[in-house]
Amino acid sequence: AQSVTQLGSHVSVSEGALVLLRCNYSSSVPPYLFWYVQYPNQGLQLLLKYTSAATLVKGINGFEAEFKKSETSFHLTKPSAHMSDAAEYFCAVSGLPRGGTASKLTFGTGTRLQVTL
Amino acid sequence: DGGITQSPKYLFRKEGQNVTLSCEQNLNHDAMYWYRQDPGQGLRLIYYSQIVNDFQKGDIAEGYSVSREKKESFPLTVTSAQKNPTAFYLCASSEDRLDQPQHFGDGTRLSIL
Repeated sequence: AQSVTQLGSHVSVSEGALVLLRCNYSSSVPPYLFWYVQYPNQGLQLLLKYTSAATLVKGINGFEAEFKKSETSFHLTKPSAHMSDAAEYFCAVSGLPRGGTASKLTFGTGTRLQVTL
Repeated sequence: DGGITQSPKYLFRKEGQNVTLSCEQNLNHDAMYWYRQDPGQGLRLIYYSQIVNDFQKGDIAEGYSVSREKKESFPLTVTSAQKNPTAFYLCASSEDRLDQPQHFGDGTRLSIL
Protein backbone atom coordinates (compact mmCIF):
# COMPACT_ATOMS: atom_id res chain seq x y z
CA ALA A 1 0.00 0.00 0.00
CA GLN A 2 1.13 3.52 -0.70
CA SER A 3 0.99 6.54 1.58
CA VAL A 4 2.14 10.14 1.53
CA THR A 5 3.08 12.46 4.38
CA GLN A 6 3.30 16.19 3.89
CA LEU A 7 5.12 17.89 6.75
CA GLY A 8 3.62 21.25 7.63
CA SER A 9 0.00 22.01 6.89
CA HIS A 10 0.86 25.71 6.56
CA VAL A 11 4.03 27.31 5.24
CA SER A 12 4.64 31.05 5.05
CA VAL A 13 7.44 32.66 3.04
CA SER A 14 8.30 36.18 1.98
CA GLU A 15 8.05 37.15 -1.65
CA GLY A 16 11.35 36.34 -3.32
CA ALA A 17 12.34 33.74 -0.74
CA LEU A 18 12.93 30.04 -1.33
CA VAL A 19 9.87 27.80 -1.26
CA LEU A 20 10.32 24.30 0.19
CA LEU A 21 7.33 22.01 0.61
CA ARG A 22 8.07 18.58 2.04
CA CYS A 23 6.70 15.25 0.91
CA ASN A 24 7.67 11.76 2.09
CA TYR A 25 6.18 8.65 0.61
CA SER A 26 5.83 5.00 1.42
CA SER A 27 5.54 2.49 -1.37
CA SER A 28 6.21 -1.22 -1.73
CA VAL A 29 7.11 -0.79 -5.38
CA PRO A 30 9.00 1.92 -7.32
CA PRO A 31 6.70 4.90 -7.03
CA TYR A 32 5.27 7.34 -9.46
CA LEU A 33 4.94 10.69 -7.71
CA PHE A 34 3.03 13.85 -8.49
CA TRP A 35 2.69 17.39 -7.18
CA TYR A 36 -0.55 19.27 -7.72
CA VAL A 37 -1.57 22.85 -6.92
CA GLN A 38 -5.07 23.97 -5.97
CA TYR A 39 -6.29 27.55 -5.97
CA PRO A 40 -9.41 28.44 -3.93
CA ASN A 41 -12.61 26.84 -5.20
CA GLN A 42 -10.83 25.21 -8.12
CA GLY A 43 -9.72 21.75 -9.07
CA LEU A 44 -6.19 20.40 -8.90
CA GLN A 45 -3.64 21.33 -11.54
CA LEU A 46 -0.60 19.17 -12.22
CA LEU A 47 2.71 20.88 -11.38
CA LEU A 48 5.08 18.01 -12.15
CA LYS A 49 5.49 14.25 -12.05
CA TYR A 50 8.27 11.75 -11.35
CA THR A 51 8.19 8.59 -13.42
CA SER A 52 11.79 7.36 -12.98
CA ALA A 53 13.28 9.08 -16.03
CA ALA A 54 15.25 11.65 -13.98
CA THR A 55 15.51 12.33 -10.27
CA LEU A 56 15.27 16.11 -10.67
CA VAL A 57 11.97 17.02 -12.24
CA LYS A 58 11.08 20.45 -13.54
CA GLY A 59 7.49 21.59 -13.65
CA ILE A 60 5.39 24.57 -14.47
CA ASN A 61 5.61 28.02 -12.86
CA GLY A 62 9.29 27.55 -11.94
CA PHE A 63 8.74 24.66 -9.54
CA GLU A 64 10.92 21.57 -9.37
CA ALA A 65 11.19 18.48 -7.20
CA GLU A 66 13.93 15.99 -6.47
CA PHE A 67 13.28 12.30 -5.97
CA LYS A 68 15.51 10.83 -3.24
CA LYS A 69 14.99 7.11 -2.88
CA SER A 70 17.26 6.81 0.18
CA GLU A 71 15.15 9.39 2.01
CA THR A 72 11.83 8.36 0.45
CA SER A 73 11.26 12.02 -0.27
CA PHE A 74 9.98 14.15 -3.13
CA HIS A 75 10.22 17.72 -1.86
CA LEU A 76 8.92 20.61 -3.97
CA THR A 77 11.02 23.76 -4.34
CA LYS A 78 10.99 27.11 -6.07
CA PRO A 79 13.96 29.49 -5.82
CA SER A 80 11.93 32.69 -5.53
CA ALA A 81 8.34 32.87 -4.32
CA HIS A 82 5.79 35.07 -6.01
CA MET A 83 2.48 36.28 -4.62
CA SER A 84 0.68 34.21 -7.23
CA ASP A 85 2.16 31.02 -5.72
CA ALA A 86 -0.16 31.29 -2.72
CA ALA A 87 -2.28 28.15 -2.93
CA GLU A 88 -2.61 24.65 -1.52
CA TYR A 89 -0.17 22.02 -2.70
CA PHE A 90 -0.73 18.28 -2.72
CA CYS A 91 1.76 15.48 -3.12
CA ALA A 92 0.43 12.17 -4.44
CA VAL A 93 1.74 8.67 -5.12
CA SER A 94 0.34 6.35 -7.76
CA GLY A 95 -0.47 2.71 -7.13
CA LEU A 96 -3.01 -0.06 -7.52
CA PRO A 97 -5.88 -0.36 -5.04
CA ARG A 98 -6.20 -3.59 -3.12
CA GLY A 99 -7.78 -6.15 -5.40
CA GLY A 100 -8.18 -3.61 -8.16
CA THR A 101 -6.54 -2.95 -11.48
CA ALA A 102 -7.11 0.76 -12.01
CA SER A 103 -4.37 3.20 -11.18
CA LYS A 104 -5.14 5.14 -8.04
CA LEU A 105 -3.64 8.25 -6.49
CA THR A 106 -3.08 8.50 -2.76
CA PHE A 107 -2.86 12.12 -1.66
CA GLY A 108 -1.18 13.82 1.22
CA THR A 109 -3.26 16.14 3.38
CA GLY A 110 -1.90 19.21 1.63
CA THR A 111 0.25 22.22 2.49
CA ARG A 112 -1.14 25.71 2.30
CA LEU A 113 1.48 28.16 1.09
CA GLN A 114 1.20 31.79 2.13
CA VAL A 115 3.39 34.41 0.45
CA THR A 116 3.89 37.71 2.25
CA LEU A 117 5.33 41.01 1.08
CA ASP B 1 -9.79 22.54 -25.60
CA GLY B 2 -10.05 19.15 -23.94
CA GLY B 3 -10.98 18.99 -20.32
CA ILE B 4 -13.34 17.97 -17.59
CA THR B 5 -16.57 19.81 -16.88
CA GLN B 6 -18.32 19.54 -13.54
CA SER B 7 -21.74 21.00 -12.86
CA PRO B 8 -23.21 22.66 -11.00
CA LYS B 9 -20.48 24.62 -9.25
CA TYR B 10 -22.66 25.03 -6.15
CA LEU B 11 -25.43 22.69 -4.98
CA PHE B 12 -27.72 22.66 -2.00
CA ARG B 13 -29.40 19.57 -0.61
CA LYS B 14 -32.44 19.32 1.60
CA GLU B 15 -32.78 16.64 4.25
CA GLY B 16 -33.80 13.28 2.76
CA GLN B 17 -33.05 14.37 -0.79
CA ASN B 18 -30.80 12.70 -3.35
CA VAL B 19 -28.72 15.00 -5.53
CA THR B 20 -26.66 14.24 -8.62
CA LEU B 21 -23.37 15.85 -9.58
CA SER B 22 -22.42 15.87 -13.23
CA CYS B 23 -18.97 15.10 -14.65
CA GLU B 24 -18.17 15.09 -18.37
CA GLN B 25 -14.78 14.67 -20.06
CA ASN B 26 -13.66 15.03 -23.68
CA LEU B 27 -10.11 13.76 -23.15
CA ASN B 28 -10.98 10.25 -24.36
CA HIS B 29 -9.78 8.86 -21.03
CA ASP B 30 -10.80 5.38 -19.99
CA ALA B 31 -10.66 5.93 -16.22
CA MET B 32 -12.74 8.37 -14.20
CA TYR B 33 -12.76 9.11 -10.48
CA TRP B 34 -14.77 10.91 -7.82
CA TYR B 35 -13.11 12.43 -4.77
CA ARG B 36 -14.41 14.16 -1.71
CA GLN B 37 -12.34 16.98 -0.21
CA ASP B 38 -12.73 18.16 3.36
CA PRO B 39 -10.50 20.77 5.04
CA GLY B 40 -7.32 19.24 6.41
CA GLN B 41 -8.05 15.76 5.04
CA GLY B 42 -6.77 15.89 1.50
CA LEU B 43 -8.73 14.01 -1.15
CA ARG B 44 -10.55 10.78 -0.46
CA LEU B 45 -11.64 8.43 -3.25
CA ILE B 46 -15.37 7.71 -3.44
CA TYR B 47 -15.74 5.66 -6.64
CA TYR B 48 -13.74 4.99 -9.79
CA SER B 49 -14.43 3.47 -13.17
CA GLN B 50 -12.07 1.98 -15.73
CA ILE B 51 -14.58 1.19 -18.44
CA VAL B 52 -18.16 1.81 -19.47
CA ASN B 53 -20.73 -0.06 -17.37
CA ASP B 54 -18.20 -0.93 -14.68
CA PHE B 55 -17.14 0.89 -11.52
CA GLN B 56 -15.51 0.13 -8.18
CA LYS B 57 -15.91 1.44 -4.66
CA GLY B 58 -13.19 3.63 -3.30
CA ASP B 59 -12.37 4.34 0.33
CA ILE B 60 -15.59 6.15 1.29
CA ALA B 61 -18.36 4.84 -1.00
CA GLU B 62 -21.11 4.56 1.62
CA GLY B 63 -23.99 6.93 0.89
CA TYR B 64 -22.94 7.50 -2.71
CA SER B 65 -23.77 5.88 -6.06
CA VAL B 66 -22.43 6.25 -9.60
CA SER B 67 -23.10 5.12 -13.14
CA ARG B 68 -20.94 4.90 -16.26
CA GLU B 69 -23.23 4.53 -19.26
CA LYS B 70 -20.96 6.52 -21.57
CA LYS B 71 -17.20 6.85 -21.71
CA GLU B 72 -17.47 10.63 -21.39
CA SER B 73 -19.79 10.77 -18.39
CA PHE B 74 -19.53 9.68 -14.75
CA PRO B 75 -22.29 11.21 -12.61
CA LEU B 76 -22.24 10.93 -8.82
CA THR B 77 -25.41 10.72 -6.73
CA VAL B 78 -25.22 11.74 -3.11
CA THR B 79 -28.03 9.83 -1.44
CA SER B 80 -29.96 10.62 1.70
CA ALA B 81 -27.96 7.86 3.40
CA GLN B 82 -24.90 10.12 3.34
CA LYS B 83 -25.35 11.90 6.64
CA ASN B 84 -22.54 14.39 6.27
CA PRO B 85 -22.53 15.39 2.59
CA THR B 86 -21.20 18.93 2.96
CA ALA B 87 -17.89 18.94 1.08
CA PHE B 88 -16.11 19.86 -2.12
CA TYR B 89 -16.44 17.13 -4.75
CA LEU B 90 -13.87 16.66 -7.46
CA CYS B 91 -14.08 14.54 -10.58
CA ALA B 92 -10.96 13.38 -12.42
CA SER B 93 -10.00 11.28 -15.42
CA SER B 94 -6.84 9.59 -16.63
CA GLU B 95 -5.40 7.14 -19.12
CA ASP B 96 -5.48 4.51 -16.36
CA ARG B 97 -1.73 4.00 -16.27
CA LEU B 98 0.35 4.35 -13.13
CA ASP B 99 2.72 6.86 -14.75
CA GLN B 100 -0.04 9.10 -16.07
CA PRO B 101 -1.52 11.95 -14.03
CA GLN B 102 -5.16 12.46 -13.31
CA HIS B 103 -6.83 15.55 -14.74
CA PHE B 104 -9.34 17.35 -12.55
CA GLY B 105 -12.50 19.35 -13.03
CA ASP B 106 -13.19 22.55 -11.12
CA GLY B 107 -15.34 20.85 -8.50
CA THR B 108 -18.84 21.09 -7.05
CA ARG B 109 -19.42 22.47 -3.58
CA LEU B 110 -22.33 20.74 -1.88
CA SER B 111 -24.04 22.22 1.16
CA ILE B 112 -26.99 21.28 3.31
CA LEU B 113 -30.01 23.57 3.54
